[in-house]
Amino acid sequence: GQQLNQSPQSMFIQEGEDVSMNCTSSSIFNTWLWYKQEPGEGPVLLIALYKAGELTSNGRLTAQFGITRKDSFLNISASIPSDVGIYFCAGQGPLLDSGGSNYKLTFGKGTLLTVNP
Amino acid sequence: KAGVTQTPRYLIKTRGQQVTLSCSPISGHRSVSWYQQTPGQGLQFLFEYFSETQRNKGNFPGRFSGRQFSNSRSEMNVSTLELGDSALYLCASSLERGGYTFGSGTRLTVV
Repeated sequence: GQQLNQSPQSMFIQEGEDVSMNCTSSSIFNTWLWYKQEPGEGPVLLIALYKAGELTSNGRLTAQFGITRKDSFLNISASIPSDVGIYFCAGQGPLLDSGGSNYKLTFGKGTLLTVNP
Repeated sequence: KAGVTQTPRYLIKTRGQQVTLSCSPISGHRSVSWYQQTPGQGLQFLFEYFSETQRNKGNFPGRFSGRQFSNSRSEMNVSTLELGDSALYLCASSLERGGYTFGSGTRLTVV
C-alpha cells in the first residue's frame, strides 16, 4: 500500500530559526496537503497543493509539490513559540487499482516541532 | 461559519460493547471522511462518504461501519469493541476537491 516517509521525526529549534520538513512516497499523488495538530485538537489545514511543481505560501509557511508527484516539503521561516505542534503531510489519490477515484488521505507519521523562546 | 462538529468528545466503553460516533460537516460540504489516530499507527483512513454513498474504504475489519444521511451528517459505528480500538477518531469534511477540514475528534477509551 501507499506509504509516506516524513522527516525529520522531531525538531528542537530556537525562536527565529527557519524550519524545513519533507515527505517522500513510493507512489504518486494528485494532491499534497500539510496539516498542523496541537494537543487535544484535530489537524488544521495549513497549505494545499494541487499541481506538480506548485509552490505555495501562507504567511511564513511555504510548501512545494514535487515535480515527480512523489514528494513535498514545508518550510517555516522565522519560527515563533506558537509554531509548536505536530506537522503532518498527507497525499491524496491517484486512482484506485479498480480505476475509481481515490478520496483517501495517506498521512506521514508527523514532525514534532518544539520552539525554544 | 461553523466547523466540523464531532460528538461526543470523550467516551469510555467496555470491551464487547458497541459505540456510535457522530459528525456534522461544514455546511455545504458533501464529502465526509473518518480517520483513526493512534500513537503507534498514526492517522489511518477508515472510509469516505459522498451523497450518502461510501466511495472509499480503508483496511479495517467489518466491525467498523459508517453511514451518511441526506443532510451530509455522518455516523460511524464500531461493534464488539476491543482494547486496540482505543484511539482518537477524527471526522473531516470537504468540498469535492481536497482541503479536508477536520473536527476535534472523539477520544474513545475501551477498558
